[in-house]
Amino acid sequence: GAVVSQHPSWVICKSGTSVKIECRSLDFQATTMFWYRQFPKQSLMLMATSNEGSKATYEQGVEKDKFLINHASLTLSTLTVTSAHPEDSSFYICSARKTSAPSYNEQFFGPGTRLTVL
Amino acid sequence: AQSVTQPDIHITVSEGASLELRCNYSYGATPYLFWYVQSPGQGLQLLLKYFSGDTLVQGIKGFEAEFKRSQSSFNLRKPSVHWSDAAEYFCAVGARSAGDMRFGAGTRLTVKP
Repeated sequence: GAVVSQHPSWVICKSGTSVKIECRSLDFQATTMFWYRQFPKQSLMLMATSNEGSKATYEQGVEKDKFLINHASLTLSTLTVTSAHPEDSSFYICSARKTSAPSYNEQFFGPGTRLTVL
Repeated sequence: AQSVTQPDIHITVSEGASLELRCNYSYGATPYLFWYVQSPGQGLQLLLKYFSGDTLVQGIKGFEAEFKRSQSSFNLRKPSVHWSDAAEYFCAVGARSAGDMRFGAGTRLTVKP
């Protein structure tokens, strides 16, 4: 299989605090992980590409200082929303690409994390 | 850059009726194409994917999709819809060399009893 987990599944925080979301590939190694954001009744928007051992690549318009990404190992990437504000409330979904699949691009998705900033 | 268009925002079908969800893509080479389903508050579940070979792809839950290069389409079909199929459906395109994936806006499926 190719299972990706996210923790927490939901989180409520106060405005101004920071929140860390973890994305783990449970049964495979992932050199590359991706972070998406989904607003209610909208599609997934790619925020950034997380590469193990190097800096993340952010999509245009995504504040890298606000959405800190760390990919410290082949099975873990973290997204930290710093100084969260109500407009950061969203559904955050991560995905992981298998290291052992160089011939095609398939991503395996986590179950998502619902962030609510009060 | 690749992009995906799902022309139908919302579709309603009766239970037992057939279903077709449309997906058109824009990409300079042969794309990798995917269909995902998402229930409210849940993550994405892969229904099927196309990388190469047979252009008619079979997926889970009785879904199939056909890749038509001439029409730049990858429409999802199901011969008989069940009430449990009500959900949001996303078409996505990925590149062979790049790692990212682009999603369509999604089609919300409502199933009438």
